[in-house]
Amino acid sequence: EAQVTQNPRYLITVTGKKLTVTCSQNMNHEYMSWYRQDPGLGLRQIYYSMNVEVTDKGDVPEGYKVSRKEKRNFPLILESPSPNQTSLYFCASRNSGKRYEQYFGPGTRLTVT
Amino acid sequence: DAKTTQPNSMESNEEEPVHLPCNHSTISGTDYIHWYRQLPSQGPEYVIHGLTSNVNNRMASLAIAEDRKSSTLILHRATLRDAAVYYCIPQDAGGTSYGKLTFGQGTILTVHP
Repeated sequence: EAQVTQNPRYLITVTGKKLTVTCSQNMNHEYMSWYRQDPGLGLRQIYYSMNVEVTDKGDVPEGYKVSRKEKRNFPLILESPSPNQTSLYFCASRNSGKRYEQYFGPGTRLTVT
Repeated sequence: DAKTTQPNSMESNEEEPVHLPCNHSTISGTDYIHWYRQLPSQGPEYVIHGLTSNVNNRMASLAIAEDRKSSTLILHRATLRDAAVYYCIPQDAGGTSYGKLTFGQGTILTVHP
């Protein structure tokens, strides 16, 4: 089944403790991205990647890092999480030749205390 | 990005058609009109997209005004599973947006049994 998976689905952590949210897709998609969703603000793009080793900032990249060493994986790294990063995070992917249809993961709900 | 206006909420009865409107008066000539939906506790899901002509797929139909300043997503027979937030997203999928989807507040669709 074609899908985007994220782990963990739920995470409660403390300020300053480094964490990684993994994202993996099995569709051989070139393009992957991360969004965060907050009440009243909608979904906002954090980072995106056009292909392996090619990443760029989205609209709200501060406090986040990403890497794209393999085509299928696009982890989101919070080096020193803060409470304002408490949010619902979604990973997405798409085929570069089929630009109109993006596939989203199920989401990761992160709480930073 | 083109500005969009959608009703905050709409209601429908099961088995009835639903017409979800979207105004995008600042749409540019290269923007496609995408519709995504987000079911409760899930990531967004692609529904349909179009440029100028009306489009149909297994999920819905998209009617685009001749001047492209508005569009309507049509669910022909609403089911309880169609209860979701529906987002209208005008976007130049192949251009400088680099695949970023700009989600507004969307329309919350409630389907009554």
